[in-house]
Amino acid sequence: AQTVTQSQPEMSVQEAETVTLSCTYDTSESDYYLFWYKQPPSRQMILVIRQEAYKQQNATENRFSVNFQKAAKSFSLKISDSQLGDAAMYFCAYQKGLGNFNKFYFGSGTKLNVKP
Amino acid sequence: GAGVSQSPSNKVTEKGKDVELRCDPISGHTALYWYRQSLGQGLEFLIYFQGNSAPDKSGLPSDRFSAERTGGSVSTLTIQRTQQEDSAVYLCASSLLVQSYEQYFGPGTRLTVT
Repeated sequence: AQTVTQSQPEMSVQEAETVTLSCTYDTSESDYYLFWYKQPPSRQMILVIRQEAYKQQNATENRFSVNFQKAAKSFSLKISDSQLGDAAMYFCAYQKGLGNFNKFYFGSGTKLNVKP
Repeated sequence: GAGVSQSPSNKVTEKGKDVELRCDPISGHTALYWYRQSLGQGLEFLIYFQGNSAPDKSGLPSDRFSAERTGGSVSTLTIQRTQQEDSAVYLCASSLLVQSYEQYFGPGTRLTVT
């Protein structure tokens, strides 16, 4: 079975600084999708960034970027110029590709604190 | 447009009672997922609906849990004879699989079993 591991239960960053959240996953598939979701205290899960495994280029969305290392099965999230509104739980998620829509596998989450 | 909505937002029930949780997906989304999130934990997959296909129920933790999706839209998750370990946030998500693998989540229902 696929597993997603987030080894950092909690992290802190100073406002305007950069922080990197780690995620590793286990799979024997070659085609899949990886996601980072943000869950603020409001509980509303919000997609931060998505990476297709067949793409070598790392995805970026404004201040958010990933470091996707397919061979190492690593998918870290870098948040630049951290803002107070970035404080939330961050979940890494994996989904099989090629029509396997039935399951997402989520990590246990990393709580990010942003200090003013 | 409107996002995924869930009701109630919070539910407190006595052990042994049945509860129903409702999810209204985004209009036109063919896929619908239910997850359970226990305190401080990640998301645990419960069940998945896709169009008219048989649902994937492989994540349901016991036969006390069931779900249905009427008319390919609204879904109801039912928990019978609730136990204290059922206390959690229940999240619903929908997806338009043709264009994107992204899931759009509702705000969840916090269930507390006393």
